[in-house]
Amino acid sequence: EVQLLESGGGLVQPGGSLRLSCAASGFTFSNYAMTWVRQAPGKGLEWVSAISGGSSSTYYADSVKGRFTISRDNSKNTLNLQMNSLRVEDTAVYYCATRITMIYWGQGALVTVSS
Amino acid sequence: EIVLTQSPGTLSLSPGERATLSCRASQSVSSSYLAWYQQKPGQAPRVLIYGASSRATGIPDRFSGSGSGTDFTLTISRLEPEDFAVYYCQQYGGSPPHTFGQGTKLEIK
Repeated sequence: EVQLLESGGGLVQPGGSLRLSCAASGFTFSNYAMTWVRQAPGKGLEWVSAISGGSSSTYYADSVKGRFTISRDNSKNTLNLQMNSLRVEDTAVYYCATRITMIYWGQGALVTVSS
Repeated sequence: EIVLTQSPGTLSLSPGERATLSCRASQSVSSSYLAWYQQKPGQAPRVLIYGASSRATGIPDRFSGSGSGTDFTLTISRLEPEDFAVYYCQQYGGSPPHTFGQGTKLEIK
């Protein structure tokens, strides 16, 4: 059974940093691209970032480019999102997701950026 | 970047009725890599349809997806009370960004 479990969310002040992780199980992690999606309170879904299976390619939404870094550790079946220079508008639930024929999502981690 | 436009923004129907939700892309979605999600308050999105027309595991057959190119449709044949929620489409063909539509709220009339 495919499972994705996010962790690392919390409250951080504007300008601060936070690192999200996503623990994956139930599939051969290194074979599949991984994605981060977020949803601000009361808003729609926003694609944030993606990384290929072997980490050779990374992609970012314009809204986070230069501030967020996606990475993965295939030996630990873990996806990461390093978030720096956080802004109030980065407040959201962050989901990790993957596509293995079908699409799988985690349950999300809440990030709150507030002073 | 492919822009997805969902219509209508809000759909008011009664249980038992048929719902038709539209998702239009600004350019062709490669290989029909189009997904539909359902989201209820306080919950993570649930995948309903992937590949434009394939139902995800455990999704009732009253949900169906169709379309190709730039025009896609999610149909709920006979609405159940638990179907009232917000629905999103997402394209995931080609290189990212894999954009979402703005959502359609399906509410009880």
